[in-house]
Amino acid sequence: GNSVTQMEGPVTLSEEAFLTINCTYTATGYPSLFWYVQYPGEGLQLLLKATKADDKGSNKGFEATYRKETTSFHLEKGSVQVSDSAVYFCALTITGNQFYFGTGTSLTVIP
Amino acid sequence: GAVVSQHPSWVICKSGTSVKIECRSLDFQATTMFWYRQFPKQSLMLMATSNEGSKATYEQGVEKDKFLINHASLTLSTLTVTSAHPEDSSFYICSAQGQGGSPLHFGNGTRLTVT
Repeated sequence: GNSVTQMEGPVTLSEEAFLTINCTYTATGYPSLFWYVQYPGEGLQLLLKATKADDKGSNKGFEATYRKETTSFHLEKGSVQVSDSAVYFCALTITGNQFYFGTGTSLTVIP
Repeated sequence: GAVVSQHPSWVICKSGTSVKIECRSLDFQATTMFWYRQFPKQSLMLMATSNEGSKATYEQGVEKDKFLINHASLTLSTLTVTSAHPEDSSFYICSAQGQGGSPLHFGNGTRLTVT
């Protein structure tokens, strides 16, 4: 079946620290991979995506590379800010409409 | 940009009562809407998919008579939790998609607590 496993939180980092949130997946077909972010009190927003192997998605300083050989899509940012505090969800879709989500990882960045 | 409005953001109700959650697409026509549920420390799980004007398609294990979904227009879908019980307490979130595989947009979610 299709599923996403992501690193459990919560994660607490100091400002300007390096961030990695691990995400691995299983899929029956050729998935597109996504990272969504949910800021406090808001809905999920698309952060970045990659639609095929070796693609790199990037946005707002965040990056993730679609690694088919390791079935991974780890989220990274070189220097986090307080404003990055949020919950991050890794997700995949095969069909483009039905999504499979990870459990979410809460990130808190302290000044 | 496209916005999906979900209301209410939180609700507390007594066991046995029904609760309706609304999901509206504000500046696009949502041909398909999805309802998810998230229990603490678990993934968002898809409950059902609804296309405007059609009956919703429920995922395995989701009781269609308990979770009534209506998608009567291209901008509104509702989820009604009927005869709610404490085990229905969860975070419910909707998402909406326009035509042609356009991006998915999420609502803010509804925190339901049944006492």
